[in-house]
Amino acid sequence: SQQGEEDPQALSIQEGENATMNCSYKTSINNLQWYRQNSGRGLVHLILIRSNEREKHSGRLRVTLDTSKKSSSLLITASRAADTASYFCATDAITAGNKLTFGGGTRVLVKP
Amino acid sequence: SQTIHQWPATLVQPVGSPLSLECTVEGTSNPNLYWYRQAAGRGLQLLFYSVGIGQISSEVPQNLSASRPQDRQFILSSKKLLLSDSGFYLCAWSGVKEPQHFGDGTRLSIL
Repeated sequence: SQQGEEDPQALSIQEGENATMNCSYKTSINNLQWYRQNSGRGLVHLILIRSNEREKHSGRLRVTLDTSKKSSSLLITASRAADTASYFCATDAITAGNKLTFGGGTRVLVKP
Repeated sequence: SQTIHQWPATLVQPVGSPLSLECTVEGTSNPNLYWYRQAAGRGLQLLFYSVGIGQISSEVPQNLSASRPQDRQFILSSKKLLLSDSGFYLCAWSGVKEPQHFGDGTRLSIL
């Protein structure tokens, strides 16, 4: 099974609303990363949070990490139509070297 | 700055034909290189991982192989494609313990 699992699988919101998606994982990690993918394109790195960090911000993005629950959340505030994309969490497990394990992703649709 | 190039963008191949997808990285030395496959609407599955020239780790048994003939070149190959090889193939690079940077992918359709 996948190390990272996102929830929900799909999310539809109005422009200006906040979008929250969650990621759960199974094993101990060095860090957790969030990526964005526009349809038919490669992934773009958004933010990395290390296992000793609890919260991180980057612009309109806020990521939290709870290692006791093995979960993370990504919040996009004041969403825009251009935020429409799929969002993936990826874990860098302690035993996996520099390899990442990706979840199935959350498809976000922001309606204008 | 570093850039990653992946080609072709789309490819249609008949069953049983060979495959060669190429990925090159510029602006960095000794990167870690990765090949992923993504099924429609799904996450990424790591296929191959390389930490240096000639060093390839295969993550899943399959019909594909990878080679790294030069420091910044990563090639994904098959001698005989199967229908199940269809998908979206992504190449990525990273430094040690750094985020991965992805190419724009190759959409492979097998007929």
